[in-house]
Amino acid sequence: NAGVTQTPKFQVLKTGQSMTLQCAQDMNHEYMSWYRQDPGMGLRLIHYSVGAGITDQGEVPNGYNVSRSTTEDFPLRLLSAAPSQTSVYFCASSRRQGNTGELFFGEGSRLTVL
Amino acid sequence: GQQVMQIPQYQHVQEGEDFTTYCNSSTTLSNIQWYKQRPGGHPVFLIQLVKSGEVKKQKRLTFQFGEAKKNSSLHITATQTTDVGTYFCAGGKFYNNNDMRFGAGTRLTVKP
Repeated sequence: NAGVTQTPKFQVLKTGQSMTLQCAQDMNHEYMSWYRQDPGMGLRLIHYSVGAGITDQGEVPNGYNVSRSTTEDFPLRLLSAAPSQTSVYFCASSRRQGNTGELFFGEGSRLTVL
Repeated sequence: GQQVMQIPQYQHVQEGEDFTTYCNSSTTLSNIQWYKQRPGGHPVFLIQLVKSGEVKKQKRLTFQFGEAKKNSSLHITATQTTDVGTYFCAGGKFYNNNDMRFGAGTRLTVKP
């Protein structure tokens, strides 16, 4: 059981380049989300989705796009990378039962924007 | 907007000492979750609290959710070197529990 799989694990971009961070889960979870983690700031919610075709903004959505065409996949797109987007990105999924449910995290994608 | 504040930012203890981290929200939460992240790893779920005043225990760990559902704490009794890591709280917004906001975390180091 793979759980939550993120690719790539490491990426270096130049300012202005675009890229997509991939996230896939095999647990049939309806809920998926993206966080970024920066030193001293914890994890900040970028976007989340409660099911295929439904996405919503979190705390820091600017500069990022998401889509949810299937239950399994939730890619995060950077259209024009900026140095401020240098961070570690975590994808998480959850089986929402009633009020909420535990988040299962991927291993993270470390992005450096030069 | 909702803010979840966590203190202290760092805590260094001698093995065997107790440890507590506190989480406070500016707004009422629907639930609170606690996670542990080892250095270089990803956050791993510890527990979820939903009810006002709820207290849960996991071996040496005690979790509390405040009566007003705005604060929470994690207490570790007699720390061990295996407790090393960063502990995060995450609160769900009262009217949208899908929006989970994390505190900045408390980094615990344990001296043998």
